[in-house]
Amino acid sequence: GESVGLHLPTLSVQEGDNSIINCAYSNSASDYFIWYKQESGKGPQFIIDIRSNMDKRQGQRVTVLLNKTVKHLSLQIAATQPGDSAVYFCAENNNFGNEKLTFGTGTRLTIIP
Amino acid sequence: SQTIHQWPATLVQPVGSPLSLECTVEGTSNPNLYWYRQAAGRGLQLLFYSVGIGQISSEVPQNLSASRPQDRQFILSSKKLLLSDSGFYLCAWTPPWGGGQPQHFGDGTRLSIL
Repeated sequence: GESVGLHLPTLSVQEGDNSIINCAYSNSASDYFIWYKQESGKGPQFIIDIRSNMDKRQGQRVTVLLNKTVKHLSLQIAATQPGDSAVYFCAENNNFGNEKLTFGTGTRLTIIP
Repeated sequence: SQTIHQWPATLVQPVGSPLSLECTVEGTSNPNLYWYRQAAGRGLQLLFYSVGIGQISSEVPQNLSASRPQDRQFILSSKKLLLSDSGFYLCAWTPPWGGGQPQHFGDGTRLSIL
């Protein structure tokens, strides 16, 4: 079936460096993509989203890149801070009627002080 | 602003006991509502979603059921819990107008079955 997967399950980055988290998706009909951050014991928190008619979107210290040709999504976090340590999930939506999402398995990002 | 509440935050139940987890949303009308289960160190599995009062769609066969008795209330239930029902249960909502919207999550209920 369709799935959203991540290339790396864990990632360690030195504080202050930039980090890149990657995600591959398999449903070419997906039109909308979201990145979430989940801290231990909490629900996922929305970070940034992007629609399929865009290839880049920037937020505060975060940038999402979408490459529809190879069905690849990435999240870039600039100048990482200890508070960025968390599990990051990508999710895709190919049904704008009920807004159901398909989630990847997540990448654990650890910021090294 | 909109908020979502889940309770209880943690729950320990014996095998075979019933379950009722509640989720409520404030500050919006006719939201789409979702129940997920997350196993330790894993992604999110969609269990149920609802686009309106009394409308429930089940995503996977399981020991659980869901109900939506009021517009902004979503309940996850079981008559008899199994060991395999342990996990982190998350409720989420989106606005009803569609067109690609992020889901917003509550802080979850950690359920342990003994």
